[in-house]
Amino acid sequence: EVQLVESGGGLVQPGRSLKLSCAASGFTFSNYYMAWVRQAPKKGLEWVATISTSGSRTYYPDSVKGRFTISRDNAKSSLYLQMNSLKSEDTATYYCARPGGSSLFDYWGQGVMVTVSS
Amino acid sequence: DVVLTQSPATLSVTPGERISLSCRASESVDTYLHWYQQKPNESPRLLIKYASQSISGIPSRFSGSGSGTDFTLSINGVELEDLSIYYCQQGNSLPYTFGAGTKLELK
Repeated sequence: EVQLVESGGGLVQPGRSLKLSCAASGFTFSNYYMAWVRQAPKKGLEWVATISTSGSRTYYPDSVKGRFTISRDNAKSSLYLQMNSLKSEDTATYYCARPGGSSLFDYWGQGVMVTVSS
Repeated sequence: DVVLTQSPATLSVTPGERISLSCRASESVDTYLHWYQQKPNESPRLLIKYASQSISGIPSRFSGSGSGTDFTLSINGVELEDLSIYYCQQGNSLPYTFGAGTKLELK
């Protein structure tokens, strides 16, 4: 059974940093691209980042490019999201997701809440 | 960026009826259009991939159609457990984008 378990969320002040983690199990982690998707409170879904199997290629939307960094450790079956220069608009539930094809997300974690506030 | 417009924003339904939800793209996404269901306080779940392909474990009452810019998610015989928010997502070009969602509520 595929499982994705996020951790590392919490309350952080604007301008500070936070690092999220996702522990994966139930599939061969190193064979899959991985991604982060977020959802602001009472809002829709927003793709945040994708990383290739080796970690050599990463992709971001403009809203987080230059501030967020996605990375992975295939030996630990773990995915990470380093978030710097956080803004109030980054407040959201962050989901770890497995892209099941080139462009869709077929498995999702339970999500972790990040609140950016002073 | 590709903008996905979902309509209606909210749909009031009666159990047993057949309904259709619309997702319109601002430019062609071929068939790289996927549908997700999100129940309250749960993570999204993939319902339909590549516009019309079914997903293992998803009830057969869910179906999808369309290509290019106009897509439809149909539910043939709505059940109470289907009361959720439905999102479409395009994977044809970066950045991947989602529609704002259609909320199904009980009439």
